[in-house]
Amino acid sequence: EVQLVESGGGLVQPGGSLRLSCAASGFTVSSNYMSWVRQAPGKGLEWVSVIYSGGSTYYADSVKGRFTISRDNSKNTLYLQMNSLRAEDTAVYYCARVGDGYDYWGQGTLVTVSS
Amino acid sequence: AIRMTQSPSSFSASTGDRVTITCRASQGISSYLAWYQQKPGKAPKLLIYAASTLQSGVPSRFSGSGSGTDFTLTISCLQSEDFATYYCQQYYSYPITFGPGTKVDIK
Repeated sequence: EVQLVESGGGLVQPGGSLRLSCAASGFTVSSNYMSWVRQAPGKGLEWVSVIYSGGSTYYADSVKGRFTISRDNSKNTLYLQMNSLRAEDTAVYYCARVGDGYDYWGQGTLVTVSS
Repeated sequence: AIRMTQSPSSFSASTGDRVTITCRASQGISSYLAWYQQKPGKAPKLLIYAASTLQSGVPSRFSGSGSGTDFTLTISCLQSEDFATYYCQQYYSYPITFGPGTKVDIK
């Protein structure tokens, strides 16, 4: 059974850093495209980043230069390193597998950026 | 970036109704269009990909159509579990973009 479990969210001050993790089971992260999508409270879905099986990465303009997507093949885990956090980064962050569409999603982890 | 719009933004419907939601892309995206259902406090669920292909396990009352810039999601006979917010998503080019969502609630 495919499962994605995010962790690492929490309260952080503006300018701070946080690393989100997404532990996968039932498939191999490194053989798939994987993505992060976020949702601010009461708002719609916003794509954040993707990492290809070959290692190429893409980012939304809103996070480019501040966020880094990566994976640990030995742990079958996807990461999102978030630096220079801003209030507008406050959101639930979902990891998702990119198949035909975004076919599997985690339950999400809440990141709150506030002083 | 490709801008996605949806209409209506929200509406009320009754169980058994036929429901149609429209999604429009600001430029042609071929059939690189997916639809998702999201319920409060839950992750989105993939319903349709490639504009018209039903995801495995999704009831056949859901269907999608369109190509280029105009797309529709149809629910042929609304069930109680279908009251939710629906998002379209283009994956033709980066940045991937979602529509603003259409909330379907109970009349």
